[in-house]
Amino acid sequence: DIVVTQSPDSLSVSLGERATVNCKSNQSVLYSYNNKNYLAWYQHKPGQPPKLLIYWASTRESGVPDRFSGSGSGTDFTLTISSLQAEDVAIYYCQQYYLTPQTFGQGTKVEI
Amino acid sequence: EVQLVESGGDLVQPGGSLKLSCAASGFTFSDSAIHWVRQASGIGLEWLGRVRTKADDYATAYAASVKGRFTVSRDDSNNVAYLQMNSLKTEDTAVYYCTGLGNPFKYWGRGTLVTVSS
Repeated sequence: DIVVTQSPDSLSVSLGERATVNCKSNQSVLYSYNNKNYLAWYQHKPGQPPKLLIYWASTRESGVPDRFSGSGSGTDFTLTISSLQAEDVAIYYCQQYYLTPQTFGQGTKVEI
Repeated sequence: EVQLVESGGDLVQPGGSLKLSCAASGFTFSDSAIHWVRQASGIGLEWLGRVRTKADDYATAYAASVKGRFTVSRDDSNNVAYLQMNSLKTEDTAVYYCTGLGNPFKYWGRGTLVTVSS
């Protein structure tokens, strides 16, 4: 199984400041045939289902604010919130969907 | 509008069984694989398993933690997917979600709570 590890486990950021979450997989999730990284980011708030933010490592889902961005390739990825808003307080997960079983990182709690 | 609605969550004793349902609408259910994901309190998201479409022979796959205990299935005539859970353990206590219509997971149900306790 592909192991996905996030860092840090929690993060405290001031309103308007940048938040950065890292995600590392123990094997590449880049499919050379189509040059796509099978890596997604989700936002999860209490009492709600997870929300897909980013897929293919850097493609923003429709309706997601542009302060959210994803980067990276191969085994190392980053989710950046450029200017943290109060509504961004949540747990953020990365997920690889390159191989079954699909695996999630352990989550990063973002607080203000 | 795409909708996924889980049901069947309950309090069950260790060693017991439970069957969850996922009712789908707003898309062609028979063309979509259905996945199950759970979140235990204080623990992250865990992919549990999936059932593919008839075109892929309804192929199933499972996480190691539930393989042999959980079974995913589907009824395309009624647009419903199922998660049969046997030999339940206290560590199976979680909110269980179904997802469908694409990978990664854009569409989710609101989840159903399963509590395994004596």
